[in-house]
Amino acid sequence: GQNIDQPTEMTATEGAIVQINCTYQTSGFNGLFWYQQHAGEAPTFLSYNVLDGLEEKGRFSSFLSRSKGYSYLLLKELQMKDSASYLCASMDSNYQLIWGAGTKLIIKP
Amino acid sequence: ETGVTQTPRHLVMGMTNKKSLKCEQHLGHNAMYWYKQSAKKPLELMFVYNFKEQTENNSVPSRFSPECPNSSHLFLHLHTLQPEDSALYLCASSQLSGTSDEQYFGPGTRLTVT
Repeated sequence: GQNIDQPTEMTATEGAIVQINCTYQTSGFNGLFWYQQHAGEAPTFLSYNVLDGLEEKGRFSSFLSRSKGYSYLLLKELQMKDSASYLCASMDSNYQLIWGAGTKLIIKP
Repeated sequence: ETGVTQTPRHLVMGMTNKKSLKCEQHLGHNAMYWYKQSAKKPLELMFVYNFKEQTENNSVPSRFSPECPNSSHLFLHLHTLQPEDSALYLCASSQLSGTSDEQYFGPGTRLTVT
């Protein structure tokens, strides 16, 4: 079966760094997406990885290891506005997104 | 209007009612999607349309009936729903389906079935 695992909830301190892990098992693989969703709002696209390695985009970076079925989202210099749910999704061989349940990130002052 | 819009934002309906959810995208995309998001569960893909043609129906009960009159508009017609259908219904669009194009989401309709 197809499965995405990510932690349910994480807590971090303003100004710190946090890493949100995601492991995936899908039928085929056409890339790994990260989305951010603030409470009551639409999910918004953060990153897409299809090759192994680290992609950096400002304070956010995303890493992929295809051989391990593993990705992480790294958030640096945390701000209160980063409090949100972070959704990991793997695209399968049919180009359908298989989603994780999301990681709720709580930032404390 | 920009991006993807959805109306209504909130809907409460009885099990015998008929209602419709509306989605409109202003991005010039050709693919549109309906997702169901329940608390603490992964997004569930319901339907996919590409150039107005339905390309995916992920075993969705017939009490949910989609309609895509053109590439910019998508409807979800609801009838005789069950309480377990209460959830956030998200619409999304992308340039094309069947590709790795990122999807753009609307804010969702929060549906409560009583």
